[in-house]
Amino acid sequence: SAVISQKPSRDICQRGTSLTIQCQVDSQVTMMFWYRQQPGQSLTLIATANQGSEATYESGFVIDKFPISRPNLTFSTLTVSNMSPEDSSIYLCSVETRRGTQYFGPGTRLLVL
Amino acid sequence: EDKVVQSPLSLVVHEGDTVTLNCSYEVTNFRSLLWYKQEKKAPTFLFMLTSSGIEKKSGRLSSILDKKELSSILNITATQTGDSAIYLCAVEGAGNQFYFGTGTSLTVIP
Repeated sequence: SAVISQKPSRDICQRGTSLTIQCQVDSQVTMMFWYRQQPGQSLTLIATANQGSEATYESGFVIDKFPISRPNLTFSTLTVSNMSPEDSSIYLCSVETRRGTQYFGPGTRLLVL
Repeated sequence: EDKVVQSPLSLVVHEGDTVTLNCSYEVTNFRSLLWYKQEKKAPTFLFMLTSSGIEKKSGRLSSILDKKELSSILNITATQTGDSAIYLCAVEGAGNQFYFGTGTSLTVIP
């Protein structure tokens, strides 16, 4: 199994500012992902965090808005840059282990005023 | 420790069968339970349940929550090959945090 922690668990931010969300997993994992969830909607994949190289972004998401780092196999950060109220959402970190099982973190609830 | 457990871990059925997937939870300050269908990397939202005993239905899929038993079931009737996926259960608890199960992998054979 994999235990994932995210920081912060929630935050309220002013528009125009940036927030960095951290994801820490208790074991080395092959894949790390970042998702966004709007209330009552499906999880939307933002990007795959690649260790030692640039993240792979899904359609509609760009590096300038959502810079991602993954310095090692157990840690990743997602930054939400130049925030607007439309960025208010729950941001979830997820990992896939070598056995192919996917685990999700507890989420970071972001409110942008 | 808060946790969500799904069963079975995997299931193989024939087209037309009915399946029942289970989700049990131990989560502080339960707020809601959500079911998702995951075919690729982005789970698709199916249902959100907050009240016990009220069935939610969408086509051949239905789900119900039992807060007394701390569990929920997801039923799929007349299964089709397109139902093959991983079905995820998540519970929102204290501090608006989410706890996900590891999913039930469903394979529907023609």
